[in-house]
Amino acid sequence: EDKVVQSPLSLVVHEGDTVTLNCSYEVTNFRSLLWYKQEKKAPTFLFMLTSSGIEKKSGRLSSILDKKELSSILNITATQTGDSAIYLCAAVIQGAQKLVFGQGTRLTINP
Amino acid sequence: DGGITQSPKYLFRKEGQNVTLSCEQNLNHDAMYWYRQDPGQGLRLIYYSQIVNDFQKGDIAEGYSVSREKKESFPLTVTSAQKNPTAFYLCASSIMVATNEKLFFGSGTQLSVL
Repeated sequence: EDKVVQSPLSLVVHEGDTVTLNCSYEVTNFRSLLWYKQEKKAPTFLFMLTSSGIEKKSGRLSSILDKKELSSILNITATQTGDSAIYLCAAVIQGAQKLVFGQGTRLTINP
Repeated sequence: DGGITQSPKYLFRKEGQNVTLSCEQNLNHDAMYWYRQDPGQGLRLIYYSQIVNDFQKGDIAEGYSVSREKKESFPLTVTSAQKNPTAFYLCASSIMVATNEKLFFGSGTQLSVL
């Protein structure tokens, strides 16, 4: 059974801290891994990772895929209260018409 | 502005009642999807549609039905057969199913049981 697991499920830090969110996957015919941010309702796309070892960056956020370890991390440096959200990762399966989502990590940034 | 509109934002269902959640997109996307989100769980696929008048079951289709009569619209009906309907429902679209990485999501509908 295809599975994506995120950790931790919940994380509370202070503004300015750096956080690392984890995503591991066990899927057949892996194609790529996606990260989404869900602040209130609609998830918004952050990154798509297809190749191992290549870091994608967007401002204070960065992500990398490790195909050997079947995992990905999402780093957020110098966190701000606006980073508080649920972060979702999802595996895209080659030839399938669906994504397999993890449970999400609820990140809370306290001022 | 292009996007996906879901309505209503909140919906209450009485026992034995069918309810319909609306999803409209003006992105000219061929593929549309319905996901269910429960606390502590990831998004699970209910139904998806690749083109007009065609749709396929996802992982948790039992107790749900859909239609795709127009490209822009993909309503979801939660039937009385769905015994645990309380959840957050997200509609999404992509250019086509083969490019389902680039999903665009609506703002969701929270369904609760009275």
